[in-house]
Amino acid sequence: SQQGEEDPQALSIQEGENATMNCSYKTSINNLQWYRQNSGRGLVHLILIRSNEREKHSGRLRVTLDTSKKSSSLLITASRAADTASYFCATDTGKAAGNKLTFGGGTRVLVKP
Amino acid sequence: SAVISQKPSRDICQRGTSLTIQCQVDSQVTMMFWYRQQPGQSLTLIATANQGSEATYESGFVIDKFPISRPNLTFSTLTVSNMSPEDSSIYLCSVGRGPSGANVLTFGAGSRLTVL
Repeated sequence: SQQGEEDPQALSIQEGENATMNCSYKTSINNLQWYRQNSGRGLVHLILIRSNEREKHSGRLRVTLDTSKKSSSLLITASRAADTASYFCATDTGKAAGNKLTFGGGTRVLVKP
Repeated sequence: SAVISQKPSRDICQRGTSLTIQCQVDSQVTMMFWYRQQPGQSLTLIATANQGSEATYESGFVIDKFPISRPNLTFSTLTVSNMSPEDSSIYLCSVGRGPSGANVLTFGAGSRLTVL
């Protein structure tokens, strides 16, 4: 079963607006990561947040992590048409699990020009 | 980060046939991961391929259906055997990297298989 569940499943916004998507997970994690996938291609790593961190920034990306609620959010500010993609959270439960990543269901983001 | 070449990028296959997907990495890596992504779905880990040992399969995946080879530290293959339309998916290979044991993945571009 999937560790991460994401919402919304799909999001449509205008260029320049912010996009926010959420990820919830079930078990304790070592870190949580976000990936982007364009048009059914390979995934690209965006950002990693460790279990002892609460917020992280990378360019126009802002990730938060609330381990008490077992949830994370990804905010994309000032969105561009090129941000149109599917976004997946992935949880790493640590070496005991072989550092394997378990992916959430994904959020499909459409940024309209 | 590593660069991964995966082929074929796409193929249309007949029911009952088998297809082998190749994954070449431009650097030596210990572990390679094979994922399946069914249409409109998320990624599911099929198996972890370690050089010099048998692949480790996840629940629901078996070696007879998805045999994996890992002859050296830069190459792996995944075969999808005796295909049925339910095997129509994108198959992705990936390798891990990252500081302090964090397993950040780099993915190949994927192999999109359609089984008729």
